[in-house]
Amino acid sequence: DVKVTQSSRYLVKRTGEKVFLECVQDMDHENMFWYRQDPGLGLRLIYFSYDVKMKEKGDIPEGYSVSREKKERFSLILESASTNQTSMYLCASTGVRGSSSYNEQFFGPGTRLTVL
Amino acid sequence: QKEVEQDPGPLSVPEGAIVSLNCTYSNSAFQYFMWYRQYSRKGPELLMYTYSSGNKEDGRFTAQVDKSSKYISLFIRDSQPSDSATYLCAMSGASGGSYIPTFGRGTSLIVHP
Repeated sequence: DVKVTQSSRYLVKRTGEKVFLECVQDMDHENMFWYRQDPGLGLRLIYFSYDVKMKEKGDIPEGYSVSREKKERFSLILESASTNQTSMYLCASTGVRGSSSYNEQFFGPGTRLTVL
Repeated sequence: QKEVEQDPGPLSVPEGAIVSLNCTYSNSAFQYFMWYRQYSRKGPELLMYTYSSGNKEDGRFTAQVDKSSKYISLFIRDSQPSDSATYLCAMSGASGGSYIPTFGRGTSLIVHP
């Protein structure tokens, strides 16, 4: 079974801190994604990666950076956390399930980040 | 106008009701239409997907796509309290590994006993 794990379920940080969110998938997927989810705004894509050391900006990359040094691991970095980055952060990877031909997104459980 | 529109609800129904969840979209290039279910404090999980127009049934769930109207629906028959969750529609033009779906904002469903 596909598993996407995220390093923390809940995180509280202070304004100005550097924050690392880690995501690991165990299915050798090439494509990985970081979203944030806010009430009324839905899922918004921050960054995604097609391969190791590759990264592409999503819809809202400002204030974030990413790192993909290994295929299974995709990290989201908040260089200097601000209160408007308080959100639920979801990591996903893309692949097929079983005998299906459809590439679906498998999501991690999310990290609820609060910036004080 | 957003590419995908979805009423956030909440939608509250009694157990056993038929539930209809809907999304409209503007991009005629969309070919794959997905429904994800997200329980509280969890990540979304794919419930069903449909390619192009038509219906697809899986147990109590039926997905419908009307490309002429740019309208998709998810029907839940005999709804159960365990169906209480947020349902997100998503769409994409392809199913390659690098595709990026466009998500609706999600509809919160509450099924009360």
